[in-house]
Amino acid sequence: RKEVEQDPGPFNVPEGATVAFNCTYSNSASQSFFWYRQDCRKEPKLLMSVYSSGNEDGRFTAQLNRASQYISLLIRDSKLSDSATYLCVVFASGTYKYIFGTGTRLKVLA
Amino acid sequence: NAGVMQNPRHLVRRRGQEARLRCSPMKGHSHVYWYRQLPEEGLKFMVYLQKENIIDESGMPKERFSAEFPKEGPSILRIQQVVRGDSAAYFCASSVGQGDPEQYFGPGTRLTVT
Repeated sequence: RKEVEQDPGPFNVPEGATVAFNCTYSNSASQSFFWYRQDCRKEPKLLMSVYSSGNEDGRFTAQLNRASQYISLLIRDSKLSDSATYLCVVFASGTYKYIFGTGTRLKVLA
Repeated sequence: NAGVMQNPRHLVRRRGQEARLRCSPMKGHSHVYWYRQLPEEGLKFMVYLQKENIIDESGMPKERFSAEFPKEGPSILRIQQVVRGDSAAYFCASSVGQGDPEQYFGPGTRLTVT
Protein backbone atom coordinates (compact mmCIF):
# COMPACT_ATOMS: atom_id res chain seq x y z
CA ARG A 1 0.00 0.00 0.00
CA LYS A 2 1.32 3.43 -0.93
CA GLU A 3 1.99 5.82 1.93
CA VAL A 4 -0.18 8.49 0.32
CA GLU A 5 -2.83 7.59 -2.21
CA GLN A 6 -4.84 9.79 -4.52
CA ASP A 7 -7.22 9.13 -7.37
CA PRO A 8 -5.20 10.25 -10.43
CA GLY A 9 -8.30 11.47 -12.29
CA PRO A 10 -8.65 13.36 -14.51
CA PHE A 11 -11.67 15.05 -13.08
CA ASN A 12 -13.34 16.96 -15.90
CA VAL A 13 -15.84 19.48 -14.57
CA PRO A 14 -17.68 22.48 -16.06
CA GLU A 15 -16.94 26.00 -14.90
CA GLY A 16 -18.84 26.83 -11.76
CA ALA A 17 -19.01 23.25 -10.54
CA THR A 18 -17.98 22.02 -7.11
CA VAL A 19 -15.39 19.28 -7.05
CA ALA A 20 -13.85 17.30 -4.19
CA PHE A 21 -10.66 15.27 -3.96
CA ASN A 22 -9.75 12.77 -1.28
CA CYS A 23 -6.39 11.50 -0.20
CA THR A 24 -5.61 8.66 2.19
CA TYR A 25 -2.42 8.14 4.16
CA SER A 26 -1.09 5.07 5.88
CA ASN A 27 1.20 6.42 8.61
CA SER A 28 -0.86 7.23 11.69
CA ALA A 29 2.12 9.19 13.08
CA SER A 30 1.72 11.77 10.32
CA GLN A 31 1.34 15.18 11.84
CA SER A 32 1.03 17.82 9.17
CA PHE A 33 -0.91 17.82 5.96
CA PHE A 34 -0.90 20.02 2.90
CA TRP A 35 -2.41 20.47 -0.51
CA TYR A 36 -0.13 21.66 -3.27
CA ARG A 37 -1.00 22.65 -6.78
CA GLN A 38 1.23 21.84 -9.73
CA ASP A 39 0.77 23.25 -13.18
CA CYS A 40 2.24 21.46 -16.16
CA ARG A 41 6.06 21.53 -16.10
CA LYS A 42 6.12 23.94 -13.17
CA GLU A 43 7.07 23.60 -9.54
CA PRO A 44 4.49 22.59 -6.91
CA LYS A 45 3.03 25.54 -5.06
CA LEU A 46 1.58 25.41 -1.59
CA LEU A 47 -2.17 25.79 -1.81
CA MET A 48 -3.07 25.35 1.82
CA SER A 49 -2.18 23.57 5.02
CA VAL A 50 -4.83 21.28 6.45
CA TYR A 51 -5.77 21.68 10.09
CA SER A 52 -7.63 19.27 12.34
CA SER A 53 -10.57 21.63 12.64
CA GLY A 54 -10.77 22.08 8.88
CA ASN A 55 -9.96 25.32 7.16
CA GLU A 56 -11.19 27.46 4.33
CA ASP A 57 -9.46 29.86 1.98
CA GLY A 58 -11.87 31.53 -0.41
CA ARG A 59 -13.31 28.86 -2.68
CA PHE A 60 -11.09 26.13 -1.20
CA THR A 61 -11.93 24.07 1.87
CA ALA A 62 -9.67 21.42 3.38
CA GLN A 63 -10.70 18.78 5.88
CA LEU A 64 -8.75 16.25 7.91
CA ASN A 65 -10.13 13.02 9.34
CA ARG A 66 -7.47 11.48 11.56
CA ALA A 67 -9.58 8.50 12.58
CA SER A 68 -10.02 7.40 8.98
CA GLN A 69 -6.65 8.79 7.89
CA TYR A 70 -7.80 10.89 4.98
CA ILE A 71 -7.80 14.50 3.95
CA SER A 72 -10.01 16.21 1.43
CA LEU A 73 -10.02 19.31 -0.72
CA LEU A 74 -13.22 20.94 -1.90
CA ILE A 75 -13.18 23.54 -4.66
CA ARG A 76 -16.34 25.57 -5.12
CA ASP A 77 -17.30 27.61 -8.19
CA SER A 78 -14.50 26.11 -10.29
CA LYS A 79 -12.61 28.44 -12.61
CA LEU A 80 -10.73 27.57 -15.78
CA SER A 81 -7.58 28.65 -13.95
CA ASP A 82 -8.11 25.90 -11.37
CA SER A 83 -7.06 23.33 -13.98
CA ALA A 84 -3.94 21.73 -12.57
CA THR A 85 -2.71 18.69 -10.68
CA TYR A 86 -3.44 18.74 -6.95
CA LEU A 87 -0.91 17.02 -4.73
CA CYS A 88 -1.66 15.69 -1.28
CA VAL A 89 1.35 15.90 1.04
CA VAL A 90 1.88 14.31 4.44
CA PHE A 91 4.64 15.26 6.85
CA ALA A 92 5.87 13.27 9.86
CA SER A 93 7.87 15.45 12.20
CA GLY A 94 9.84 12.51 13.55
CA THR A 95 11.41 11.83 10.17
CA TYR A 96 11.13 15.34 8.71
CA LYS A 97 10.05 13.72 5.50
CA TYR A 98 7.33 14.91 3.19
CA ILE A 99 5.48 12.19 1.34
CA PHE A 100 3.74 13.26 -1.84
CA GLY A 101 0.79 11.61 -3.47
CA THR A 102 0.99 11.20 -7.23
CA GLY A 103 -1.62 13.89 -7.68
CA THR A 104 -5.14 14.31 -8.97
CA ARG A 105 -5.59 16.04 -12.30
CA LEU A 106 -8.40 18.55 -12.59
CA LYS A 107 -9.64 19.99 -15.87
CA VAL A 108 -12.21 22.74 -15.69
CA LEU A 109 -14.07 23.03 -18.97
CA ALA A 110 -15.63 26.14 -20.44
CA ASN B 1 12.20 37.97 0.22
CA ALA B 2 13.45 35.99 -2.74
CA GLY B 3 12.02 32.54 -3.15
CA VAL B 4 13.91 29.31 -3.58
CA MET B 5 16.32 29.64 -6.47
CA GLN B 6 17.64 26.86 -8.63
CA ASN B 7 20.12 26.93 -11.45
CA PRO B 8 20.52 26.09 -14.14
CA ARG B 9 16.89 25.87 -15.20
CA HIS B 10 17.77 23.59 -18.07
CA LEU B 11 20.80 21.36 -18.35
CA VAL B 12 21.80 19.11 -21.20
CA ARG B 13 24.48 16.50 -20.66
CA ARG B 14 25.84 13.65 -22.74
CA ARG B 15 25.91 10.19 -21.25
CA GLY B 16 28.90 9.80 -18.96
CA GLN B 17 29.22 13.50 -18.10
CA GLU B 18 28.59 15.04 -14.71
CA ALA B 19 25.59 17.18 -13.79
CA ARG B 20 25.65 19.74 -10.97
CA LEU B 21 22.38 21.23 -9.83
CA ARG B 22 22.31 24.16 -7.41
CA CYS B 23 19.67 25.29 -4.94
CA SER B 24 19.60 28.39 -2.78
CA PRO B 25 16.89 28.16 -0.11
CA MET B 26 14.65 30.98 0.95
CA LYS B 27 16.18 33.44 3.39
CA GLY B 28 15.84 32.11 6.90
CA HIS B 29 15.33 28.51 5.78
CA SER B 30 17.87 25.97 6.93
CA HIS B 31 16.28 22.76 5.65
CA VAL B 32 16.65 21.70 2.03
CA TYR B 33 15.00 18.81 0.22
CA TRP B 34 15.68 17.45 -3.24
CA TYR B 35 13.03 15.66 -5.29
CA ARG B 36 13.00 14.06 -8.70
CA GLN B 37 10.01 14.01 -11.00
CA LEU B 38 9.92 11.82 -14.07
CA PRO B 39 7.49 12.74 -16.86
CA GLU B 40 3.88 12.00 -15.93
CA GLU B 41 4.92 10.82 -12.46
CA GLY B 42 4.80 12.18 -8.94
CA LEU B 43 7.59 13.73 -6.93
CA LYS B 44 10.02 11.29 -5.37
CA PHE B 45 11.99 12.29 -2.30
CA MET B 46 15.73 12.00 -2.76
CA VAL B 47 17.57 13.66 0.11
CA TYR B 48 17.05 15.97 3.07
CA LEU B 49 19.84 18.22 4.27
CA GLN B 50 20.53 20.83 6.87
CA LYS B 51 23.59 23.05 6.82
CA GLU B 52 26.66 20.79 6.66
CA ASN B 53 24.59 17.69 7.43
CA ILE B 54 22.83 15.05 5.40
CA ILE B 55 19.84 14.07 7.51
CA ASP B 56 18.15 11.53 5.26
CA GLU B 57 19.38 10.27 1.90
CA SER B 58 17.19 7.20 1.73
CA GLY B 59 15.63 8.26 -1.56
CA MET B 60 18.88 8.80 -3.38
CA PRO B 61 20.53 6.08 -5.50
CA LYS B 62 23.62 4.73 -3.76
CA GLU B 63 25.85 5.20 -6.79
CA ARG B 64 26.59 8.26 -8.87
CA PHE B 65 24.42 10.61 -6.80
CA SER B 66 25.59 12.86 -3.99
CA ALA B 67 24.33 15.98 -2.26
CA GLU B 68 25.75 18.62 0.01
CA PHE B 69 24.66 21.79 1.76
CA PRO B 70 27.77 23.64 2.87
CA LYS B 71 27.96 26.27 5.57
CA GLU B 72 28.25 28.92 2.88
CA GLY B 73 26.68 28.76 -0.55
CA PRO B 74 23.94 26.76 -2.18
CA SER B 75 23.02 23.15 -1.84
CA ILE B 76 24.43 21.01 -4.65
CA LEU B 77 23.01 17.83 -6.12
CA ARG B 78 25.69 16.07 -8.12
CA ILE B 79 25.11 13.26 -10.60
CA GLN B 80 28.19 11.58 -11.96
CA GLN B 81 28.34 9.61 -15.20
CA VAL B 82 24.79 10.49 -16.16
CA VAL B 83 22.62 8.01 -18.04
CA ARG B 84 19.46 8.57 -20.08
CA GLY B 85 17.32 7.43 -17.17
CA ASP B 86 18.53 10.43 -15.15
CA SER B 87 16.57 12.74 -17.46
CA ALA B 88 13.95 14.34 -15.24
CA ALA B 89 12.95 17.51 -13.44
CA TYR B 90 14.83 17.99 -10.20
CA PHE B 91 13.12 20.19 -7.65
CA CYS B 92 14.57 21.66 -4.54
CA ALA B 93 12.41 22.79 -1.64
CA SER B 94 13.24 24.57 1.58
CA SER B 95 11.58 25.01 4.94
CA VAL B 96 12.28 26.78 8.19
CA GLY B 97 12.35 23.46 9.97
CA GLN B 98 11.15 22.80 13.46
CA GLY B 99 7.88 24.45 14.29
CA ASP B 100 6.99 25.35 10.72
CA PRO B 101 6.93 22.45 8.27
CA GLU B 102 5.59 24.36 5.27
CA GLN B 103 8.01 23.93 2.39
CA TYR B 104 8.45 26.01 -0.72
CA PHE B 105 9.75 24.85 -4.04
CA GLY B 106 12.21 26.26 -6.50
CA PRO B 107 11.41 26.33 -10.24
CA GLY B 108 13.33 23.14 -10.85
CA THR B 109 16.15 22.07 -13.11
CA ARG B 110 15.24 20.05 -16.17
CA LEU B 111 18.03 17.65 -16.93
CA THR B 112 18.20 16.08 -20.36
CA VAL B 113 20.75 13.37 -21.02
CA THR B 114 21.50 12.77 -24.67
